[in-house]
Amino acid sequence: NAGVTQTPKFQVLKTGQSMTLQCAQDMNHEYMSWYRQDPGMGLRLIHYSVGAGITDQGEVPNGYNVSRSTTEDFPLRLLSAAPSQTSVYFCASTLANEQFFGPGTRLTVL
Amino acid sequence: AQSVTQPDIHITVSEGASLELRCNYSYGATPYLFWYVQSPGQGLQLLLKYFSGDTLVQGIKGFEAEFKRSQSSFNLRKPSVHWSDAAEYFCAVHLTSGTYKYIFGTGTRLKVLA
Repeated sequence: NAGVTQTPKFQVLKTGQSMTLQCAQDMNHEYMSWYRQDPGMGLRLIHYSVGAGITDQGEVPNGYNVSRSTTEDFPLRLLSAAPSQTSVYFCASTLANEQFFGPGTRLTVL
Repeated sequence: AQSVTQPDIHITVSEGASLELRCNYSYGATPYLFWYVQSPGQGLQLLLKYFSGDTLVQGIKGFEAEFKRSQSSFNLRKPSVHWSDAAEYFCAVHLTSGTYKYIFGTGTRLKVLA
């Protein structure tokens, strides 16, 4: 049981490039979410999903897209990276009101 | 609007001293309450949670927290801090109004002096 996994651990992008942050969980949790963590701002919700085929926006969704084709996977896409998206990104899955976090992806946009 | 406030950005304590980290929330009902710890470069680990019942909850690593409805607070405590407790601590609430959204505080960074 690997829990919540995220890839890559680190990524450097140039402004305007696109990429996908991967998130997978093997606990069969319906609810998954993406957060970004910035110094002094805690974790802010980007997008979340309550099950396969269902996604919704969180607090800071602009510049990010998500999809949920399977229960296991919840990728986060940056279509045109901007320096303001430099952050640490965490994926989480939820069961019985308790969240389980992945190890994070540290993204730098130059 | 719902919010979570951690008024202390940084706290420094000596090893062996007691610790209290403050957390206040703003919400019309009693939410589910959580404390997480994050070591440098790591993800978030759940320390403890409160859903209902006894307002004093015990967690891992010797931590406890007390829910006080009248003060909308959920403060984290530890009677004797160890050097390994140096980390960042986040309070979070899960809104119980039919959504799955969680709101996190901005965190308190704990430094432990030897």
